[in-house]
Amino acid sequence: NAGVTQTPKFRILKIGQSMTLQCTQDMNHNYMYWYRQDPGMGLKLIYYSVGAGITDKGEVPNGYNVSRSTTEDFPLRLELAAPSQTSVYFCASSYYSPGGYTFGSGTRLTVV
Amino acid sequence: DAKTTQPNSMESNEEEPVHLPCNHSTISGTDYIHWYRQLPSQGPEYVIHGLTSNVNNRMASLAIAEDRKSSTLILHRATLRDAAVYYCILRDLNSGGSNYKLTFGKGTLLTVNP
Repeated sequence: NAGVTQTPKFRILKIGQSMTLQCTQDMNHNYMYWYRQDPGMGLKLIYYSVGAGITDKGEVPNGYNVSRSTTEDFPLRLELAAPSQTSVYFCASSYYSPGGYTFGSGTRLTVV
Repeated sequence: DAKTTQPNSMESNEEEPVHLPCNHSTISGTDYIHWYRQLPSQGPEYVIHGLTSNVNNRMASLAIAEDRKSSTLILHRATLRDAAVYYCILRDLNSGGSNYKLTFGKGTLLTVNP
């Protein structure tokens, strides 16, 4: 099992550019999440989805968009990148609450 | 969200047991206690969770105080691979959309000495 796969692992963006962070899971999990982690800090929830076609905002959604057209995929879109979006982004998935989450290995994004 | 308090750091020797404490004095009756760990340059990894009773799995044990105001994650024999930041997190499954959120604090940095 691959688990949760995130691509790319590293990316440098210029201010104002856009990109999509990809996330795929092969565990047939209904719930998927996007978190960001700034240096020395805990994770903050950006968006989450409880199933295909259903998404909702987390704590820090500004500057991001998501879609969930299939159970497996949950891409995160950054429009007009800003230096404040420099962070490590983690995608996660789970079957149901209160089950444990499975996290991907992260995407390290730098906006310059 | 109910908050948790953990020591900033702890140190252990290899092959010795480690007890990682967590205080959650404002825990509600519907809060589950979750533990995750994050190894350097990796995503968080689920360790264990419980509600009222002590729990065991292949990675660790979770001891929950009778009044549920504190809990302890127990690693029975620490290895160098257990060096990580350990997060104690409360999740209230009755709080609507916010129950999908894992609120990560700063956790406890565990150092394991050879």
